[in-house]
Amino acid sequence: ETGVTQTPRHLVMGMTNKKSLKCEQHLGHNAMYWYKQSAKKPLELMFVYNFKEQTENNSVPSRFSPECPNSSHLFLHLHTLQPEDSALYLCASSQRPGGQFYNEQFFGPGTRLTVL
Amino acid sequence: GDSVTQMEGPVTLSEEAFLTINCTYTATGYPSLFWYVQYPGEGLQLLLKATKADDKGSNKGFEATYRKETTSFHLEKGSVQVSDSAVYFCALSTGGGSNYKLTFGKGTLLTVNP
Repeated sequence: ETGVTQTPRHLVMGMTNKKSLKCEQHLGHNAMYWYKQSAKKPLELMFVYNFKEQTENNSVPSRFSPECPNSSHLFLHLHTLQPEDSALYLCASSQRPGGQFYNEQFFGPGTRLTVL
Repeated sequence: GDSVTQMEGPVTLSEEAFLTINCTYTATGYPSLFWYVQYPGEGLQLLLKATKADDKGSNKGFEATYRKETTSFHLEKGSVQVSDSAVYFCALSTGGGSNYKLTFGKGTLLTVNP
């Protein structure tokens, strides 16, 4: 595997289910990100992890729970979601963010989530 | 706060036509500017970037110039191909610190017909 991979690619769940999204990066990066992509809206940054430490929680509801066990893996645990949470969830990684220069973010293909 | 405004799509062109997708921004400080592209079924890929005023980013025949005076970063290509059909996102970052953010526009869908 190369780049950033995400599983599953598609997920349909009921509002009472618990599921998890997985992201893995094979680029040796130190930072990982979760984004939400909804139709007709800009990408929304949800969480940032830098060296496994969460450095950003962009006012995300607690029904979304991230986990970053190491610099290569990132999870998004989902429970009691709402239909409006249906979206494409994108994972990205980069070298350590911050400093003067931009570190390019590499994106995975996303998980298409449908909440019934 | 920071924001990016890009032209509403969809944009439909014939092959070999000239492409312009407008992007303007508001930001505190001196942002870096980017264009990302999302092909069907894939994640976003960085297309080009510019990190200071008057810089021109270019890649795969696409160009964009960082215009501080007009706070713009318009994407252009002289002759589009069917394979350029995708969603294009303009983005900015003010960088710095440990909380690094990209602020994206809503995206512009481009369809190129043979």
